[in-house]
Amino acid sequence: EVQVVESGGGLVKPGGSLRLSCAASGFTFRSYSMNWVRQSPGKGLEWVSTISSTSDYIYYADSVRGRFTISRDNAKNSLWLQMNSLRAEDTAVYYCARDLSAAMPGGFDYWGLGTLVTVSS
Amino acid sequence: QSVLTQSPSASGTPGQRVTISCSGSSFNIGRNPVNWYQQLPGTAPKLLIYSDNQRPSGVPDRLSGSKSGTSASLAISGLQSEDEADYYCAAWDDSLNGWVFGGGTKLTVL
Repeated sequence: EVQVVESGGGLVKPGGSLRLSCAASGFTFRSYSMNWVRQSPGKGLEWVSTISSTSDYIYYADSVRGRFTISRDNAKNSLWLQMNSLRAEDTAVYYCARDLSAAMPGGFDYWGLGTLVTVSS
Repeated sequence: QSVLTQSPSASGTPGQRVTISCSGSSFNIGRNPVNWYQQLPGTAPKLLIYSDNQRPSGVPDRLSGSKSGTSASLAISGLQSEDEADYYCAAWDDSLNGWVFGGGTKLTVL
């Protein structure tokens, strides 16, 4: 069974940092691109970042570029999102999602339950 | 303001057919496949349609997707109470070099 499980969320002050993790199981992790998608409370979905299967291609939303860094370790079946210089508007549930494709973005076919990040003083 | 435009709400009675639309531009829907996601209250999103009109295994065939030009639609026939959810369209945007979502449509089954 395909599973992705996020962790690492919590309360952080503006300007602070947080590192989210995503543990994958039930599929050949190294064969799929991976994504982070977030959802602010009561709002819609917002794509954050995508990393290809071999980390050759990395994409970021304009709203996080320069502050967030996506990475992965195929040997550990793990995906991360390093979030720096956090702002109140980064408050959201962050979902890890498997991509349909290995290279070119294809869409999000399996989602985790999400981890809540709250940025507040 | 979302890059893709969806009506905020839609409704129908059990058994009816409802259509949810999604409007974009030549940079996204006009040149890239559209995906649709369903989000039941309090749960993570679920992929319903990919590549404009393909259903993942397990998604019933009363759900269908279509696209014409810079617009896409999700149709749900034989509406059921469990279809009450938020629905989002998404497509890759070549000018932004990233995924864009619609603002979501809240479907109510009356």
